[in-house]
Amino acid sequence: AQTVTQSQPEMSVQEAETVTLSCTYDTSESNYYLFWYKQPPSRQMILVIRQEAYKQQNATENRFSVNFQKAAKSFSLKISDSQLGDTAMYFCALNYGGATNKLIFGTGTLLAVQP
Amino acid sequence: GAGVSQSPRYKVAKRGQDVALRCDPISGHVSLFWYQQALGQGPEFLTYFQNEAQLDKSGLPSDRFFAERPEGSVSTLKIQRTQQEDSAVYLCASSLAAGNQPQHFGDGTRLSIL
Repeated sequence: AQTVTQSQPEMSVQEAETVTLSCTYDTSESNYYLFWYKQPPSRQMILVIRQEAYKQQNATENRFSVNFQKAAKSFSLKISDSQLGDTAMYFCALNYGGATNKLIFGTGTLLAVQP
Repeated sequence: GAGVSQSPRYKVAKRGQDVALRCDPISGHVSLFWYQQALGQGPEFLTYFQNEAQLDKSGLPSDRFFAERPEGSVSTLKIQRTQQEDSAVYLCASSLAAGNQPQHFGDGTRLSIL
């Protein structure tokens, strides 16, 4: 079975500081994709960053970067220079391929950026 | 359109009523997904379409749930004889092609069953 676990229900960070959100996953597939999505109160799920399992280099998108540890099945998200607009629910998700390419989501981490 | 559009944004229904939720994917997107998001939880997969073909409906919780995409574009998720446990946000997502393409989500429909 494919699972995604986010063990931090809530986190808080001061504006301009750095925060790391944790995610672990389990899959028996060798080729898969991992994602971080952001869901603000408006509800729209926005793609933050994407990592392909066969790529050893960690993905980076501006202030967002990941620490992908394939052997440990860990996929954490680092947000640098946090901004008030980063306040949202963050979901880690796994796409293990197959016929559907559906996403398996974790339970989310609510991040609050404090002024 | 510019993004995935879902309607209505909010739906309130009495237990036992039938409801229909609409999803307009990004133009040209082949793949379409429906997810159910309970309060405080991550989205859970319901069903998947590739063009008009429903290739996976393994996540539909019961035979009261039915989805269609007859012309390979707009999709409708129908729930018959609604029950209180159907209350959730229903998210639709589309992607450009089959395979590991990023999914683009709509704003969702919040369904409340009284």
